[in-house]
Amino acid sequence: AQKITQTQPGMFVQEKEAVTLDCTYDTSDQSYGLFWYKQPSSGEMIFLIYQGSYDEQNATEGRYSLNFQKARKSANLVISASQLGDSAMYFCAMREGFPAPGANNLFFGTGTRLTVIP
Amino acid sequence: GAGVSQTPSNKVTEKGKYVELRCDPISGHTALYWYRQSLGQGPEFLIYFQGTGAADDSGLPNDRFFAVRPEGSVSTLKIQRTERGDSAVYLCASSLGRYFGETQYFGPGTRLLVL
Repeated sequence: AQKITQTQPGMFVQEKEAVTLDCTYDTSDQSYGLFWYKQPSSGEMIFLIYQGSYDEQNATEGRYSLNFQKARKSANLVISASQLGDSAMYFCAMREGFPAPGANNLFFGTGTRLTVIP
Repeated sequence: GAGVSQTPSNKVTEKGKYVELRCDPISGHTALYWYRQSLGQGPEFLIYFQGTGAADDSGLPNDRFFAVRPEGSVSTLKIQRTERGDSAVYLCASSLGRYFGETQYFGPGTRLLVL
C-alpha cells in the first residue's frame, strides 16, 4: 500500500481564492510527522509546513494551514488567498516511527500540480 | 546563510559509464539524505547519513549505487555502470540531525541523463 496518496494530479484556482490539496497517509505507527513541500519549475523542494502526530492544533504558516484529521488519516494543505507564484507541484510527505529503522527518510506522494489563474 | 548546493546541475553520460554527484549540505547539519525523483513522481529515498556513517542505505536500488561522506560534510553519490533507467533528478537534503520533526532542506538537484 502507498504510504502517501495524493489523488489530485492537477488543480486550478482563481487568484485570491483559497484551495485545498488532498493528502491521505497510511501508517500503523503512533509517532509520525507530516510535511508539505512545494516544487516550482526550477526543481527545488521548498518546505512549507509540518504537523506532528501528537500535535493537537492544526499547523499554520502564513497563508498555509494543514487540516489534520487523524482518525481519517488525512493531512490536507489549505492555501488561502492564492497568488500567481503559488503555481507549482505540491508534495505531501511522511516521516514515521521514530526511532524505528528507516525513520529518517521521507515518503512522498506523487504530487498535485496547482495552477493559479489570474 | 547558504543552502544545500549540488553539482553538477546537469549530467549527460553514456550507458555503462561511471558518474559522481556531489552534495554540499547546510553548514552545521549532521544529517544528509539522498533522494531520486523520476519524471512525474515524488522523490524516493536512497540513503541517509548521520555524520560520516551511512545510518540507513535501504533505499539504494542495487550495488551499482554507493555514497560516501568521509568528513561528515560533503557527500558524493557514485553510480557505476550507469543504465538508462538511472536517468532522474537526484536530490540531496540536509537537516540538523537532532529531532524527529525537523525540516529537511533540499538542494536544487542534479539532472542525470543516461543515453
